[in-house]
Amino acid sequence: AQSVTQLDSQVPVFEEAPVELRCNYSSSVSVYLFWYVQYPNQGLQLLLKYLSGSTLVKGINGFEAEFNKSQTSFHLRKPSVHISDTAEYFCAVSDLSGANNLFFGTGTRLTVIP
Amino acid sequence: GAGVSQTPSNKVTEKGKYVELRCDPISGHTALYWYRQSLGQGPEFLIYFQGTGAADDSGLPNDRFFAVRPEGSVSTLKIQRTERGDSAVYLCASSLTGSGGGADTQYFGPGTRLTVL
Repeated sequence: AQSVTQLDSQVPVFEEAPVELRCNYSSSVSVYLFWYVQYPNQGLQLLLKYLSGSTLVKGINGFEAEFNKSQTSFHLRKPSVHISDTAEYFCAVSDLSGANNLFFGTGTRLTVIP
Repeated sequence: GAGVSQTPSNKVTEKGKYVELRCDPISGHTALYWYRQSLGQGPEFLIYFQGTGAADDSGLPNDRFFAVRPEGSVSTLKIQRTERGDSAVYLCASSLTGSGGGADTQYFGPGTRLTVL
């Protein structure tokens, strides 16, 4: 079974400051890793995903994440945030055993302060 | 192109009533997923369709929940004898093939907010 832990439920950060949203996972098998963003009144949108290869993954809107297998982490980073980045961010995993569903964390609400 | 659409956007019902939630996936996507998102939680998997058949329904909480996708396109999630605990946002997603153990990107709809009074 898989589980995802997002340690921070809320992260306030000033505009143009860097941000890191933490994600740790637990799984008995190899996994794929995802970050989704949910803007108010909108559906979940994929930011980036790690399937294999380079552990540093670049996504949309200037976000990137680094897969660390030894620490079972997949933290999301952005060097300079904008007001428009205010949203809920979800980390998710799926396993390579064949199941296609995603297991989500509880989410981190990023609030960018002007 | 058009994304995943869900209707209605909001549904208020009384305890014990029957409800149907509809999902229109992206055209050409063979895989379709239903998730449920309770307040303050991440989405939880309910059921996955590959074409017309339910390939994995392990997330359905009990036999009051049922979903169909008769023509391999539109799907309907049906909830019988609704309970207050069923109140949540029900999300639908679709992906092109559903293959690859979840690697195939899932595109989500805006959700249906169900409130059971």
